[in-house]
Amino acid sequence: NAGVTQTPKFQVLKTGQSMTLQCAQDMNHEYMSWYRQDPGMGLRLIHYSVGAGITDQGEVPNGYNVSRSTTEDFPLRLLSAAPSQTSVYFCASSPSSGSLGEQFFGPGTRLTVL
Amino acid sequence: AQKITQTQPGMFVQEKEAVTLDCTYDTSDPSYGLFWYKQPSSGEMIFLIYQGSYDQQNATEGRYSLNFQKARKSANLVISASQLGDSAMYFCAMNTGFQKLVFGTGTRLLVSP
Repeated sequence: NAGVTQTPKFQVLKTGQSMTLQCAQDMNHEYMSWYRQDPGMGLRLIHYSVGAGITDQGEVPNGYNVSRSTTEDFPLRLLSAAPSQTSVYFCASSPSSGSLGEQFFGPGTRLTVL
Repeated sequence: AQKITQTQPGMFVQEKEAVTLDCTYDTSDPSYGLFWYKQPSSGEMIFLIYQGSYDQQNATEGRYSLNFQKARKSANLVISASQLGDSAMYFCAMNTGFQKLVFGTGTRLLVSP
């Protein structure tokens, strides 16, 4: 199993540009989430999904869109990038909607918005 | 609202000694999970240990143990016999359902020879 994969690893955008961060998992996990990590602030939840076709907002959803058309994929879209979205983005998945157990994290995408 | 507090921005320990990283949490949910993750300089998030709110015994995973004191709402991580490779950021996190983790701000651990 590859686990949770994220592409790209690094990205530089100009203000106003749009892009999609890709996340895929091959563990047949129901739950998938996106977090952002800013210096000194730990990780904060952006959006999450409890299964294909179902998504919801986390703590910091503004400026981001998600969709979940398959169990495997959970892309994060930046509609109009802003410097405040410069951050490291982590995708995570977990196996059971009823469990409070471990989440598996991808390697992260480092995004810089100029 | 759920909250995790890590009051130690940085900790130093000598190799082979034990170290305790502090974590307190706040939630009104009776059912929750507590986690510790390690983030080395390479940036990935590595799961270390998990404690459920109804677990009677403290969780242990090799050199890691979680000192869970429910009444005090604390979930400290104890690393025994520190190694140079333990130098990293350590995050405490809580899950109160739907796999939505709330993280603390982290503690940077430096292990010296």
